[in-house]
Amino acid sequence: DVKVTQSSRYLVKRTGEKVFLECVQDMDHENMFWYRQDPGLGLRLIYFSYDVKMKEKGDIPEGYSVSREKKERFSLILESASTNQTSMYLCASSLLGVSNQPQHFGDGTRLSIL
Amino acid sequence: GESVGLHLPTLSVQEGDNSIINCAYSNSASDYFIWYKQESGKGPQFIIDIRSNMDKRQGQRVTVLLNKTVKHLSLQIAATQPGDSAVYFCAENPGNTGFQKLVFGTGTRLLVSP
Repeated sequence: DVKVTQSSRYLVKRTGEKVFLECVQDMDHENMFWYRQDPGLGLRLIYFSYDVKMKEKGDIPEGYSVSREKKERFSLILESASTNQTSMYLCASSLLGVSNQPQHFGDGTRLSIL
Repeated sequence: GESVGLHLPTLSVQEGDNSIINCAYSNSASDYFIWYKQESGKGPQFIIDIRSNMDKRQGQRVTVLLNKTVKHLSLQIAATQPGDSAVYFCAENPGNTGFQKLVFGTGTRLLVSP
């Protein structure tokens, strides 16, 4: 089974702090994704990566950056946390194939910015 | 538990009944669809997928139906059990991104009574 592990289940930070969310997958997947999930809005894509050191903006990249130094690890960075970044953050990974492949998710990090 | 949606449509069924959860999509170019299950406090779990060249696919106790004419997707769960209680949402690949990008619905809450 695919295992996507997010380092923290709950995190509380202060406005202006730099915040790191970590995600590791153990299935040698090429693609990795960061989403945020808010009530009534569904999952929204922040950034994704299809290879080491490669990154692409998703639909809501403002205020975020990412890092992918190793294939199994994809980090989301909040450069200067703000209260509107309080949310559930979900990491996912998928296999790169000639046809579509399902994305597999971690259990999320619930981040509160005070 | 944690809610992923405060005002989600809700389907209430009795244990043993069959459940049908519906999803409308808007992009006629979408070529790949997935159903996810999300239990309280957990990340989305892959259930079943279907490609646009098919109109039906079956898994263990689940069936996905795709009607491209009316852009409608449904998930049927046979002999629903209390453990099936969760939020279910569909996702589509719009097919025009050149990448395995998914667009997610906001979900339906399934409540199963013993």
